[in-house]
Amino acid sequence: NAGVTQTPKFQVLKTGQSMTLQCAQDMNHEYMSWYRQDPGMGLRLIHYSVGAGITDQGEVPNGYNVSRSTTEDFPLRLLSAAPSQTSVYFCASSQDTEAFFGQGTRLTVV
Amino acid sequence: KQEVTQIPAALSVPEGENLVLNCSFTDSAIYNLQWFRQDPGKGLTSLLLIQSSQREQTSGRLNASLDKSSGRSTLYIAASQPGDSATYLCAVYDGNKLVFGAGTILRVKS
Repeated sequence: NAGVTQTPKFQVLKTGQSMTLQCAQDMNHEYMSWYRQDPGMGLRLIHYSVGAGITDQGEVPNGYNVSRSTTEDFPLRLLSAAPSQTSVYFCASSQDTEAFFGQGTRLTVV
Repeated sequence: KQEVTQIPAALSVPEGENLVLNCSFTDSAIYNLQWFRQDPGKGLTSLLLIQSSQREQTSGRLNASLDKSSGRSTLYIAASQPGDSATYLCAVYDGNKLVFGAGTILRVKS
């Protein structure tokens, strides 16, 4: 039982490049979410999904897209990376209001 | 909008001291509350989950309390050790969404 798996662990992008952060869970949870963590600010919700085919915006959605074609996967897409998106990204899955987090992706945009 | 505040922002104590970390939230209509630990450059480790119907949870040297009516939670660490040095994050559940505080950076000196 792997829990929540995020890939890659580290990534450096140039401004304007696109990429997808992958997130997969094997706990059959309906609810999945993406957070970003910036120094001194805790974690902030980017997007979330309550089940396959359903997504919604969180607190800081601009510059990010998501989709949920399966229960297991919830990728986060950066269409045109900006230096302001330099951050650590965490994916989580939840059931009955208990969240489980991946190990994070450290993204640097230069 | 739910806001979570953690006090103090940083704390340095000698080994062996008992200590209390504080978390307050503005909307008492929460589901659960969870305390996490984060080591530098690492992911989130769940410490204690307090369900909305509970008033406290204990795990080893850790005890977390919850007072929904006053919008407060405390994390009590007994007999602190250098290995307890980390950032401690408090998060409240709005349904399955998490709202995080900015964290308390704890340093336990040997």
